[in-house]
Amino acid sequence: DAKTTQPPSMDCAEGRAANLPCNHSTISGNEYVYWYRQIHSQGPQYIIHGLKNNETNEMASLIITEDRKSSTLILPHATLRDTAVYYCIVRVVNTGNQFYFGTGTSLTVIP
Amino acid sequence: DTAVSQTPKYLVTQMGNDKSIKCEQNLGHDTMYWYKQDSKKFLKIMFSYNNKELIINETVPNRFSPKSPDKAHLNLHINSLELGDSAVYFCASSHGQGRYGYTFGSGTRLTVV
Repeated sequence: DAKTTQPPSMDCAEGRAANLPCNHSTISGNEYVYWYRQIHSQGPQYIIHGLKNNETNEMASLIITEDRKSSTLILPHATLRDTAVYYCIVRVVNTGNQFYFGTGTSLTVIP
Repeated sequence: DTAVSQTPKYLVTQMGNDKSIKCEQNLGHDTMYWYKQDSKKFLKIMFSYNNKELIINETVPNRFSPKSPDKAHLNLHINSLELGDSAVYFCASSHGQGRYGYTFGSGTRLTVV
C-alpha cells in the first residue's frame, strides 16, 4: 500500500471548517483513499473513502486532486467532539491486502 | 446495541501468563481482525479471519493465536506473555475486505508486569 504523509497536528476554531491534508504521491490507480479518526481511548472510526471523485457523507467531505497525489478531508463545522487523531490511508481493496494506520494528524478544536 | 465489543477493556498480568481477549460483532460482517496499537500510535494488522479461515498472518510471534468459533467472534489468545506485549489491542470487522470501512471495538489495554 502507498505511503501517506500528514501534518502531525492542527488546530481549528469551533464552528469553522477543518481542512486536513494528506499527501499520497505514490498512489497507484487501484488504490482508494480512506480516512479514519481515533478519539482518545476509543477505537478508530471510519469517516469516508474515495477513489477519484470527491465524496460527501453526513460526517465529512473528501476532496481528491485530479492527479490523485493528495487529498483533503473537510469537516464543515468542527465541534469539540471532533478533537481526535485523523488517519489518511491508501489501500487496494482485494483479498489478502490490509492496511496500516500511520501517525495521523492530531486535530484540536478550540472553543 | 454495541457493534463490536471487546472484553476485557483493561488487562494487567504477569510475565509468563496465558491470557485471552474476546471479541464479538453483531453487524453480520464476514471478516474480523485483530490490530495492535503500540506506544507510537501505529496500528498494525495482526490477523484477519474470513468465514473461519485465516486470510493473513503478519509477522507476529506464534505465542499469539486467533480463535474463531463462528463468524461473529474472533478471540485472541496469548501464551507466555512478555513485557513487549504491552499495548492496546483492537478488534475490528468488515464486509469482505472492508471496501466500505472497518468497524473497530473500543480496545483492550494489556499491561504485562
